[in-house]
Amino acid sequence: DAKTTQPNSMESNEEEPVHLPCNHSTISGTDYIHWYRQLPSQGPEYVIHGLTSNVNNRMASLAIAEDRKSSTLILHRATLRDAAVYYCILRDRSDWAGANNLFFGTGTRLTVIP
Amino acid sequence: ETGVTQTPRHLVMGMTNKKSLKCEQHLGHNAMYWYKQSAKKPLELMFVYSLEERVENNSVPSRFSPECPNSSHLFLHLHTLQPEDSALYLCASSQEVGGSYEQYFGPGTRLTVT
Repeated sequence: DAKTTQPNSMESNEEEPVHLPCNHSTISGTDYIHWYRQLPSQGPEYVIHGLTSNVNNRMASLAIAEDRKSSTLILHRATLRDAAVYYCILRDRSDWAGANNLFFGTGTRLTVIP
Repeated sequence: ETGVTQTPRHLVMGMTNKKSLKCEQHLGHNAMYWYKQSAKKPLELMFVYSLEERVENNSVPSRFSPECPNSSHLFLHLHTLQPEDSALYLCASSQEVGGSYEQYFGPGTRLTVT
């Protein structure tokens, strides 16, 4: 799977939007962009994923650049419960076995300030 | 119960003990996974099962033995572990194997080997 690059940490004020960036310049045409987060002392939690088009769900939005070399996870109104480490991961659709090596890098630690 | 559950949540065992970790998913998924998360290290995939058949084994030592009796249950049998095996063991499931499917994680079992 191709690599991703994320900032180590970010801060946001409560109830403000948060834009978490991810660079993936070596992305292939069959790579899905996945986002997960991990709260302290919990297992990772799926947030959102997409291939080419922007995606929205009840948790967040995913904005994918036209060339797919970067993406941004958008939390529309940060709450204290959103404080977590956010991981951006590329998953190859075609490699059905190796694609499941969900290797999380270091991610972005989001701090939400009350 | 909903989602992915794991028992026990905490386990302390000696190096000569034998114990088992249990995972159950209530999502109707066909794929299940074991991951290891050590302190300050990325998540490591250990085993992947699809429809009760093991499809991935990431060079895991034989002291870890997985078992998948049906698509809803996954076990990890442990014997003669080493202190460096102390970690958070996470179970996950997805609809199918492959990069287009998101994974849902359990809360993990915190294992301490003494």
